Amino acid sequence: DVKVTQSSRYLVKRTGEKVFLECVQDMDHENMFWYRQDPGLGLRLIYFSYDVKMKEKGDIPEGYSVSREKKERFSLILESASTNQTSMYLCASQGYIGELFFGEGSRLTVL
Amino acid sequence: QQQVKQSPQSLIVQKGGISIINCAYENTAFDYFPWYQQFPGKGPALLIAIRPDVSEKKEGRFTISFNKSAKQFSLHIMDSQPGDSATYFCAAGGRAGATNKLIFGTGTLLAVQP
Repeated sequence: DVKVTQSSRYLVKRTGEKVFLECVQDMDHENMFWYRQDPGLGLRLIYFSYDVKMKEKGDIPEGYSVSREKKERFSLILESASTNQTSMYLCASQGYIGELFFGEGSRLTVL
Repeated sequence: QQQVKQSPQSLIVQKGGISIINCAYENTAFDYFPWYQQFPGKGPALLIAIRPDVSEKKEGRFTISFNKSAKQFSLHIMDSQPGDSATYFCAAGGRAGATNKLIFGTGTLLAVQP
């Protein structure tokens, strides 16, 4: 079974702090994604990566950056957390027929 | 052109009934239409998917109906069970094999009453 592991399930941070969300997949997938999930808004794409050191902006990249130094690891970075970034963050890797495999999510609260 | 519109936002169905969730898309380049199921505290998981070369796909109690001309697709859950209570997301994307950015609907919270 594909396993996508997000390092932190729950985080509480203060406004202005730098936040790292880590994601690791074990299936050697090339494509990885970060989504944000908010009630009534569904899943919105923040960034994605199709190869090591390659990244592209999704629909809502403002306030976020990403890093992919190794194929299995894709990190989401909030340079200076703000209260409107309180949300559930979902990482996914993409299988060979287009299906996404999601981690269990990281719920971030910014105070 | 990138939106996927999903309805209803929430749905209550009696055990044994049929649950129907609808989605509409705009981009005619989309050719992959999956449905994801999400239980509380978990990430979404692929439930069933369809490509536009067929009008219907069935897996157990779950069926996707696809209307290419209307740019609509729907999920039908037959004989709905309390264990089906979850949030369902439709999605649409481009061709698999390339970078396939899935665009998700806003989700439907399904409650199946015993």
